[in-house]
Amino acid sequence: KQEVTQIPAALSVPEGENLVLNCSFTDSAIYNLQWFRQDPGKGLTSLLLIQSSQREQTSGRLNASLDKSSGRSTLYIAASQPGDSATYLCAVETSGSRLTFGEGTQLTVNP
Amino acid sequence: GAVVSQHPSWVICKSGTSVKIECRSLDFQATTMFWYRQFPKQSLMLMATSNEGSKATYEQGVEKDKFLINHASLTLSTLTVTSAHPEDSSFYICSAIGYRRLNIQYFGAGTRLSVL
Repeated sequence: KQEVTQIPAALSVPEGENLVLNCSFTDSAIYNLQWFRQDPGKGLTSLLLIQSSQREQTSGRLNASLDKSSGRSTLYIAASQPGDSATYLCAVETSGSRLTFGEGTQLTVNP
Repeated sequence: GAVVSQHPSWVICKSGTSVKIECRSLDFQATTMFWYRQFPKQSLMLMATSNEGSKATYEQGVEKDKFLINHASLTLSTLTVTSAHPEDSSFYICSAIGYRRLNIQYFGAGTRLSVL
């Protein structure tokens, strides 16, 4: 059974700091890995999707890496802003388009 | 971009009543729709997968008679929580996959259910 773990569970940083969120998964037989953002009481916004054959994806200040063999991914956020405050979820896709989510990292960026 | 609409966004009901949540793909035909449940401070847990015109596939531990899923068309799936109890209070989110981009799930904004 696939299990996804995210570390840390919560993170508080001052504005402008660069930060890294971590995600690990137990079964390397994945199709892709996605990072999502969830604001309180809201749905999910897809940030980055990395196919299993890729090693990283970048979008603006966000960079996600994938090491499939070791079951790890990181989300790097550069020059953090208060607007980045949210919960960040990592999810891996396995057969049948099923997504398995981690429990998320709650990020607070302080002005 | 693809849009998935979920309605209602928030519902409060009395214990013992049934609640229906709708999930619509507004600008694409959804081959598959998924229903997730999220308890406070926890992650999303897949409840069931539904394909248009066929019975939903439920995850282990999810009662199919309690969480009725109907996927009557390529743009609409409904989740009915029957005889709701306070422990069913949760955040329910749907997602949909379209024909053109089969590896992308588009998520609804979620429905917060509070059972009194």
